[in-house]
Amino acid sequence: GAVVSQHPSRVICKSGTSVKIECRSLDFQATTMFWYRQFPKQSLMLMATSNEGSKATYEQGVEKDKFLINHASLTLSTLTVTSAHPEDSSFYICSARDGRADYEQYFGPGTRLTVT
Amino acid sequence: GQNIDQPTEMTATEGAIVQINCTYQTSGFNGLFWYQQHAGEAPTFLSYNVLDGLEEKGRFSSFLSRSKGYSYLLLKELQMKDSASYLCAVRDSNYQLIWGAGTKLIIKP
Repeated sequence: GAVVSQHPSRVICKSGTSVKIECRSLDFQATTMFWYRQFPKQSLMLMATSNEGSKATYEQGVEKDKFLINHASLTLSTLTVTSAHPEDSSFYICSARDGRADYEQYFGPGTRLTVT
Repeated sequence: GQNIDQPTEMTATEGAIVQINCTYQTSGFNGLFWYQQHAGEAPTFLSYNVLDGLEEKGRFSSFLSRSKGYSYLLLKELQMKDSASYLCAVRDSNYQLIWGAGTKLIIKP
């Protein structure tokens, strides 16, 4: 089956620093990748949708200058949390859609970000 | 607005059957998904319905009625490992996934 990896799985950073999270599709080409955030005991919240080679589309209320998304290739997307604050501490999950299988999204294992 | 409703929490007994309901109101419909999410982990795909009716996959089945804006996930022969959150998501006319808040299923011995 399709596999999506995320790195790192856990990261602790100091307030004011930036953190980069990588999302890779390992055995398929992901024409579209999605970034989600999930706070404890809450549902997934879509942050942005990115298509390879074009700018990401951000959901309302998500600061694009704070959450930088790059989808430079069909197998890699990155999310950079800039000038992180404690309220950015959350579980960040990426998912990827295989261009050949329209209906399914494959999720990465998630990245637990803690900002101190 | 767009809305997905599912119960917050359900409790069932090991070996029994449980049905988790999901109702939705979205701008357009291009399929309904059920995902399983264990605590601290990412969701994993369970099922996809785009036509009315029942889709069976092992111990799990999913039903859809588009006219009623309703779906359910049926879990049979419950096992302790089925304790998880179950997320209902609908793909709207823009092919965006609209997520429910999830149903936490607690399995008791």
